[in-house]
Amino acid sequence: SSELTQDPAVSVALRQTVRITCQGDSLRIYFASWYQQKPGQAPVLVVYGKNNRPSGIPDRFSGSSSGNTASLTITGAQAEDEAEYYCNCRDTSGHHWVFGGGTKLTVL
Amino acid sequence: EVQLVESGGGLVQPGRSLRLSCEVSGFRFDDYAMHWVRQGPGKGLEWVSGISFNSSNTGYAGSVKGRFTISRDNVKNSLYLHMNTLKTEDTAFYYCAKDISGELEVPESWGQGTLVTVSS
Repeated sequence: SSELTQDPAVSVALRQTVRITCQGDSLRIYFASWYQQKPGQAPVLVVYGKNNRPSGIPDRFSGSSSGNTASLTITGAQAEDEAEYYCNCRDTSGHHWVFGGGTKLTVL
Repeated sequence: EVQLVESGGGLVQPGRSLRLSCEVSGFRFDDYAMHWVRQGPGKGLEWVSGISFNSSNTGYAGSVKGRFTISRDNVKNSLYLHMNTLKTEDTAFYYCAKDISGELEVPESWGQGTLVTVSS
């Protein structure tokens, strides 16, 4: 299967915790990566692998996985976290990469 | 500082060809795999193609396989995407991205993109 499914939109109150999910068969085999994209900007990798953050990414971003679902958790959401979030993973063949449709996060 | 700069985008008619380039700096290019990812106007991200550090392994999305070719020049620190038989649905911003490793794993650092518009 080559599909990753995300909720189109999620909202969170300032400084509260939010979980953004991604579902797909390939997530049973491979870890997801998560990207943040703000309007007019290139995507930025925020979490990859089991739960790794690139240099410069705040530790309020974390990743987890269970079965066919991967999750990105933001603990204590900030106003600057308002963005589109995409998950990414290999497909079940292992030879191609697929992105989820994206989740628009609104921080209230 | 890792920098990736795409170029070569523009307006092209359906059925024609175009070559995109991505010049990189700030890291050892020949140690890392590279990807092309595109984003249509107002749409989500779509992985297009990837190439390993030494060009021994390449991959393509089904939507471009047979029409697009990825290549790299490790002397010129440059990545390329040769696009043939372009279709209107290929209209998108095209981003090049550096992987976290020498083999295709995770697109890590991205350029700012170059816009390709396919229209008659």
